[in-house]
Amino acid sequence: AQSVTQPDIHITVSEGASLELRCNYSYGATPYLFWYVQSPGQGLQLLLKYFSGDTLVQGIKGFEAEFKRSQSSFNLRKPSVHWSDAAEYFCAVGAPSGGSYIPTFGRGTSLIVHP
Amino acid sequence: DTGVSQNPRHKITKRGQNVTFRCDPISEHNRLYWYRQTLGQGPEFLTYFQNEAQLEKSRLLSDRFSAERPKGSFSTLEIQRTEQGDSAMYLCASSSPRGVNSPLHFGNGTRLTVT
Repeated sequence: AQSVTQPDIHITVSEGASLELRCNYSYGATPYLFWYVQSPGQGLQLLLKYFSGDTLVQGIKGFEAEFKRSQSSFNLRKPSVHWSDAAEYFCAVGAPSGGSYIPTFGRGTSLIVHP
Repeated sequence: DTGVSQNPRHKITKRGQNVTFRCDPISEHNRLYWYRQTLGQGPEFLTYFQNEAQLEKSRLLSDRFSAERPKGSFSTLEIQRTEQGDSAMYLCASSSPRGVNSPLHFGNGTRLTVT
């Protein structure tokens, strides 16, 4: 079965600083990988996804992530964080099912942005 | 695209009562997912529909839980004889039939509190 580990429960950065959120996955085949963001009381919004091809994936809001098969990682990065980026971030790995996939989520990393 | 709609937004019930939640997916999305999210955790998969067929069910989905999608459009999730441990945010998501890599679109969830 697939699983995701997000080792950092909280990350604090200053506005304008760079950001890297860590994600490690466990899956027996080539994974589908995702990053989602959740603001308080809201549902999840997809930031970016990886299915195949270029291992550096660009997403919305200036985020990017890099798939590293050798490290089983899919870390999320942003060069300059804005105060509005403060939220909960979830990494997910997708398992194929019925022509689609079912994401399994990590426990999340809470991003705190200091002015 | 009006987004995934979930009702009610909040539900408070007493232990032992039955509750039912509704999810209206994005029009023409044939795939529908239910997840449960407790405080400080990532979403946990409950069940998945493709059209009206329930293709996957998690071990988390005990016999007190039942989900339906009778006409392949909206879906309901019923919890019978609620327990305090059922208190959580219940999230619904849908995705398009256009390709295996169609992203999941999440609703804002139904927050259940069992007293």
